[in-house]
Amino acid sequence: GNSVTQMEGPVTLSEEAFLTINCTYTATGYPSLFWYVQYPGEGLQLLLKATKADDKGSNKGFEATYRKETTSFHLEKGSVQVSDSAVYFCALSDRSGGSYIPTFGRGTSLIVHP
Amino acid sequence: DSGVTQTPKHLITATGQRVTLRCSPRSGDLSVYWYQQSLDQGLQFLIQYYNGEERAKGNILERFSAQQFPDLHSELNLSSLELGDSALYFCASSVSLGGSDEQFFGPGTRLTVL
Repeated sequence: GNSVTQMEGPVTLSEEAFLTINCTYTATGYPSLFWYVQYPGEGLQLLLKATKADDKGSNKGFEATYRKETTSFHLEKGSVQVSDSAVYFCALSDRSGGSYIPTFGRGTSLIVHP
Repeated sequence: DSGVTQTPKHLITATGQRVTLRCSPRSGDLSVYWYQQSLDQGLQFLIQYYNGEERAKGNILERFSAQQFPDLHSELNLSSLELGDSALYFCASSVSLGGSDEQFFGPGTRLTVL
């Protein structure tokens, strides 16, 4: 079956540091890839997505590029803020018959200190 | 606010009991997804309904069932509850079947089984 593997957290950074959260996937088809973010006490919300190879998703200073050759979708941000502290989930959606099956990674907690 | 509502917010019950969780999707969204989030299993996809019909199944136990009603709200029924069923249950909605669609998550229902 499909799977998503994320680096384990927590990732602890100082404000304005560079962020990378690694994500690799296995899928039987040609999936769409997503990053979701979960702030404390809330549901997940979409951060960015990419639907085909070499597409770059970006939002709020975060970026991720769909790398088919390495089956990866690493999340990056050049300068993190305290308000970026949250749990980040890498996810894919892959076709199975007439439906699409979502698969999420286990999440990576990010803590940013002032 | 994602536009997805879930009730109740918290639920405490005993082993062997049955509970029903309710979800109202965002206006205009036809798909509803159910997820279970726990510390040891991460975010697990349970089941998807689209316009009243079951479309995709994930790691849903036989003791669990769901349905989507004509007004598109959905209910997740959990029966013969066990301690291990204690978790945060999320509902999400999307405009169509999936694929590259963004999912909008509700705030979750925290279930505690004593």
